[in-house]
Amino acid sequence: GAVVSQHPSRVICKSGTSVKIECRSLDFQATTMFWYRQFPKQSLMLMATSNEGSKATYEQGVEKDKFLINHASLTLSTLTVTSAHPEDSSFYICSAKAQLAGGPEQFFGPGTRLTVL
Amino acid sequence: AQRVTQPEKLLSVFKGAPVELKCNYSYSGSPELFWYVQYSRQRLQLLLRHISRESIKGFTADLNKGETSFHLKKPFAQEEDSAMYYCAPGSSNTGKLIFGQGTTLQVKP
Repeated sequence: GAVVSQHPSRVICKSGTSVKIECRSLDFQATTMFWYRQFPKQSLMLMATSNEGSKATYEQGVEKDKFLINHASLTLSTLTVTSAHPEDSSFYICSAKAQLAGGPEQFFGPGTRLTVL
Repeated sequence: AQRVTQPEKLLSVFKGAPVELKCNYSYSGSPELFWYVQYSRQRLQLLLRHISRESIKGFTADLNKGETSFHLKKPFAQEEDSAMYYCAPGSSNTGKLIFGQGTTLQVKP
């Protein structure tokens, strides 16, 4: 149980285009999902907290107009990187917190490798 | 400020040797503490949480509130333990986790 999927696993796009990444909880409902960015050989940096039915909460320094987050249902959150540039190339990881679970334990997706040319 | 420090970027040991991965944290309130592990080409997964006080794959971690530490230990390392380990305190209120820089454990045969 507690499986989180991400789609796509890899995406290559041209500079200036927008890319959408999906995060789904497959066998549980998640009121809260999180989006992270991971640079090579570095830790996970929390970008934003996505709450079902409400606006996402962004961490300091993360541009909300650049990284659009939508959490339309209890099993799906999307991250759209708008007008992507090479510096946005990174590994994006989502996680989900089960609706009925107390505590901050999160279940992680496999990540999406974004390469902007 | 909330902060997690894992002082060793790389810990290399021989099979059968004891292992201790250090974690110190600075966190307001009473966080829950977790260790997550990422094996090669796999997703991040929970290894253990302090409130469970359990041993997973031979690993244990003791929360020392006085020293604000949550070191991960295993008495006899195995080659399959080679992975990246992250210490992460979290808030039960917000659900947020803060990740340390991670320690790569390399267990040599």
